[in-house]
Amino acid sequence: EAGVTQFPSHSVIEKGQTVTLRCDPISGHDNLYWYRRVMGKEIKFLLHFVKESKQDESGMPNNRFLAERTGGTYSTLKVQPAELEDSGVYFCASSQDRTQYFGPGTRLLVL
Amino acid sequence: AQSVTQLGSHVSVSEGALVLLRCNYSSSVPPYLFWYVQYPNQGLQLLLKYTSAATLVKGINGFEAEFKKSETSFHLTKPSAHMSDAAEYFCAVRAGAGTASKLTFGTGTRLQVTL
Repeated sequence: EAGVTQFPSHSVIEKGQTVTLRCDPISGHDNLYWYRRVMGKEIKFLLHFVKESKQDESGMPNNRFLAERTGGTYSTLKVQPAELEDSGVYFCASSQDRTQYFGPGTRLLVL
Repeated sequence: AQSVTQLGSHVSVSEGALVLLRCNYSSSVPPYLFWYVQYPNQGLQLLLKYTSAATLVKGINGFEAEFKKSETSFHLTKPSAHMSDAAEYFCAVRAGAGTASKLTFGTGTRLQVTL
């Protein structure tokens, strides 16, 4: 069974540009989560989808971040425009019960 | 609200020595607790989980953790460290049973294993 996949693995962009991160959950998992780890700090929750609906988006830092999950399968997280403080590792996780399975993360560097 | 405290951002042990990584949690409801491991250049891998069954939980690679409600702790141990255990370890808590909900993580502990 394929795990959670994320694309790209790395992204380097300039301040003000737009970046879109993609997450493909484990097949059949209704729950999809986005987390972020800024360097040196803890992994923090961003938002939670149940199928295509946003269940909890309390962790989204501001309106420069837009997450979608059309059709309840893969999800995208767009940052527009990117700022320096957006740099970090963005993790996606999926679950069908209490256990969340994580992807390898996307390392974003904003210069 | 939930929170997690991991004491020690860096822990160094000799190969063959006991590994003890500390995790204390705060939760207003019965918690579900997890340990994840991140090896260099890889994603987060589930090591073990406590979901209100046995208080002593065994995970992969010889790791185990004991849930102690009175101490609000969920420390991770391994009797004998191996070089391949060098990684960053994260303790996480999730509120209660039932519906899925977010994880709250500690700041992580980087384990170094020396010869």
